[in-house]
Amino acid sequence: AQSVTQPDIHITVSEGASLELRCNYSYGATPYLFWYVQSPGQGLQLLLKYFSGDTLVQGIKGFEAEFKRSQSSFNLRKPSVHWSDAAEYFCAVGNGNSGNTPLVFGKGTRLSVIA
Amino acid sequence: NAGVTQTPKFRVLKTGQSMTLLCAQDMNHEYMYWYRQDPGMGLRLIHYSVGEGTTAKGEVPDGYNVSRLKKQNFLLGLESAAPSQTSVYFCASRTGGKVTEAFFGQGTRLTVV
Repeated sequence: AQSVTQPDIHITVSEGASLELRCNYSYGATPYLFWYVQSPGQGLQLLLKYFSGDTLVQGIKGFEAEFKRSQSSFNLRKPSVHWSDAAEYFCAVGNGNSGNTPLVFGKGTRLSVIA
Repeated sequence: NAGVTQTPKFRVLKTGQSMTLLCAQDMNHEYMYWYRQDPGMGLRLIHYSVGEGTTAKGEVPDGYNVSRLKKQNFLLGLESAAPSQTSVYFCASRTGGKVTEAFFGQGTRLTVV
């Protein structure tokens, strides 16, 4: 069965500092990977996705993520964090061999940004 | 373009009452999902549907029922609400037949007292 682990429950960074949020997945075949962001009181918004090809994918709001098959990871990065990036971030994995299988989400990482 | 719309946005129920949450999407998506979100638990799948007239159980289906009579609507019912069902409920939809991103509604905050 697919599973997603986000090891960090809560991360605090200073505005302007770089950010890396970790995501590890467990899945036997080719995973389809996603990062979502949830601002307070809002639904989830897609930041970026990886299906195949270049392992470094660019997303919205200046975010990028790198797929590393050998480490079963799909970490999210941003070179310079803005106060508006404070939110909860979710990693998700889909089954590339079965399109009707629901996405599996990690438990999320809450990001706080301090001045 | 409305996307995924959830009704209502907030609701307070007394224990034992029933209610139905409505999810409507205007993107002609095949697949629809109901999740609940609780602190520290992430998103947990309650029920889902891969097409009109079909439903399936997710990770935490007990105490909930669903129906998908029309392609654009996915209803989540609570027959006899319990305080443990206090949560934020999210509906999502996506294109069928292949793995694609899911689009989420704004959520329904339900409190059972």
